[in-house]
Amino acid sequence: DTAVSQTPKYLVTQMGNDKSIKCEQNLGHDTMYWYKQDSKKFLKIMFSYNNKELIINETVPNRFSPKSPDKAHLNLHINSLELGDSAVYFCASSREWRSGSPLHFGNGTRLTVT
Amino acid sequence: AQTVTQSQPEMSVQEAETVTLSCTYDTSENNYYLFWYKQPPSRQMILVIRQEAYKQQNATENRFSVNFQKAAKSFSLKISDSQLGDTAMYFCAFDPTGTASKLTFGTGTRLQVTL
Repeated sequence: DTAVSQTPKYLVTQMGNDKSIKCEQNLGHDTMYWYKQDSKKFLKIMFSYNNKELIINETVPNRFSPKSPDKAHLNLHINSLELGDSAVYFCASSREWRSGSPLHFGNGTRLTVT
Repeated sequence: AQTVTQSQPEMSVQEAETVTLSCTYDTSENNYYLFWYKQPPSRQMILVIRQEAYKQQNATENRFSVNFQKAAKSFSLKISDSQLGDTAMYFCAFDPTGTASKLTFGTGTRLQVTL
């Protein structure tokens, strides 16, 4: 009965590879997000996706691309991985757009690029 | 740009005692949302409490309460009757739009609850 689930939990890969992280929510929420948490625990939004409207954080390299096949899924594709991409990536969802609804987070994916 | 400051990188409290975590933010907006999230060692981010800026009343959730001072742009979290399970990183977060697309997190306070 996991609300927001993301896979894999751990991902170790080499520089230059392409990888994906999957996220699914069964809460019926309208909006989904990807966050990056760096080694100092700082959390920063990467993308938000609401009813096919994608809002991109302009600091995110275009090697990162979100893909949403439907409202319950938001996957993250990363091309040409770099050492600096190593971090914990969190998927999240919220009930309504523009209502200050709190975020429901997945358990995170720890990505290690070697 | 909005900023969120948590001035206490680490704090410690004994079980059953009360502790207050501080958070200040900078904004020119009049209406916005504030949150506290906790991240235990399990890594999952969990909502602790939510406050809407236009509501004067401080939010409470069981042992957790906030002291929201809008004029001072301060949003502190008080944990009463601390429990070992409260050990976690606590993040203050500010949302000026209600969409979370501009949600800004503070740098976190690591809280250790001891026996």
